Amino acid sequence: DAGVIQSPRHEVTEMGQEVTLRCKPISGHDYLFWYRQTMMRGLELLIYFNNNVPIDDSGMPEDRFSAKMPNASFSTLKIQPSEPRDSAVYFCASSNTGELFFGEGSRLTVL
Amino acid sequence: AQKVTQAQTEISVVEKEDVTLDCVYETRDTTYYLFWYKQPPSGELVFLIRRNSFDEQNEISGRYSWNFQKSTSSFNFTITASQVVDSAVYFCALPRDDKIIFGKGTRLHILP
Repeated sequence: DAGVIQSPRHEVTEMGQEVTLRCKPISGHDYLFWYRQTMMRGLELLIYFNNNVPIDDSGMPEDRFSAKMPNASFSTLKIQPSEPRDSAVYFCASSNTGELFFGEGSRLTVL
Repeated sequence: AQKVTQAQTEISVVEKEDVTLDCVYETRDTTYYLFWYKQPPSGELVFLIRRNSFDEQNEISGRYSWNFQKSTSSFNFTITASQVVDSAVYFCALPRDDKIIFGKGTRLHILP
């Protein structure tokens, strides 16, 4: 089975630009999570979905962040407009039985 | 409140030494899971183990072992005969509702 697939692996953009991160969860997993990792704050949960429905977005830092899951095999995390403080590694993870399986992450650098 | 504390920020040991990574947790739940994850220098997060709170038997997997003690709310991780490839950040984690909350991690350096 393929694992969680994230794209792009690396993104460098300029402040003010829109950034879209993509995630394909493991087939059959009904939970999908977006985490952000920085040196200062560690691993932070941004939002999670159950059966494509957003359940808890309390970790989304501000309105510039949005996430969607239009179907069971695809999710996006969008930042518009991006700011330098959004620079981080963004992980997508999926789950079915409790433990999370993570993608390789998308490293975002906002200049 | 659900909380995971990994008090050791960074540990360095010489190869072949044994090393224990501490994890202390707080939970309001009577049954719960605990997890350990590994993040090697390449950056991916790798699931290592899940333990259920009603099973306090120690778990051993090769050079890795886990000591779960409900009496002290601890779920410690020991690497025996450490190797350079064990160098990574290790995270302990605990579910809160449907979410998983991670500790701050312990960065482990295995020196050749």
